[in-house]
Amino acid sequence: DAGVTQSPTHLIKTRGQQVTLRCSPKSGHDTVSWYQQALGQGPQFIFQYYEEEERQRGNFPDRFSGHQFPNYSSELNVNALLLGDSALYLCASSLEQYTTDEQYFGPGTRLTVT
Amino acid sequence: AQTVTQSQPEMSVQEAETVTLSCTYDTSESDYYLFWYKQPPSRQMILVIRQEAYKQQNATENRFSVNFQKAAKSFSLKISDSQLGDAAMYFCAYRRDNNNDMRFGAGTRLTVKP
Repeated sequence: DAGVTQSPTHLIKTRGQQVTLRCSPKSGHDTVSWYQQALGQGPQFIFQYYEEEERQRGNFPDRFSGHQFPNYSSELNVNALLLGDSALYLCASSLEQYTTDEQYFGPGTRLTVT
Repeated sequence: AQTVTQSQPEMSVQEAETVTLSCTYDTSESDYYLFWYKQPPSRQMILVIRQEAYKQQNATENRFSVNFQKAAKSFSLKISDSQLGDAAMYFCAYRRDNNNDMRFGAGTRLTVKP
């Protein structure tokens, strides 16, 4: 039973470029959340997708957008990259919204913006 | 706004000893959930323990237990019989009921000395 997988593992982009990160949820999960974890800090909630729609969004600008596919996998897109977007991006999956059940996290994608 | 504070950036414990990690949070909500996550060098966040605010009984999971003081808005994690594999970053997190925005503290780096 595969857990949450994310690709790529590492990514280096230049300021102003666009990036797409990918996440496959744990088998049987239908909800995907994205978090940004800056160096030395705790993760910050970006948004959550359920039934292919963005259900809730944290305090992130519109440059951050996402998508969920019918197979529940998800993408995080960041446009017009800034140096401050350098961080570890974590994906977490769960079953149904608002569940108190465990969110399973992936290993993350390390994004470096130069 | 709900905030989570971990006042101990680093903690150290001798193998087989007990250590307590502190966490305080700020909220005006009555229904919420509290979590402790472990993030080893592999970066994958792992749920250690969770507590529902409506439950007075402190949660326990094997060697891990919490001291939940709702009035004081305190949620500490006690690790008994510490093992080398417990070495990691530990994050305290808060999520209010029916809300997907999970708030994390800045983390405590735990070192376990053999």
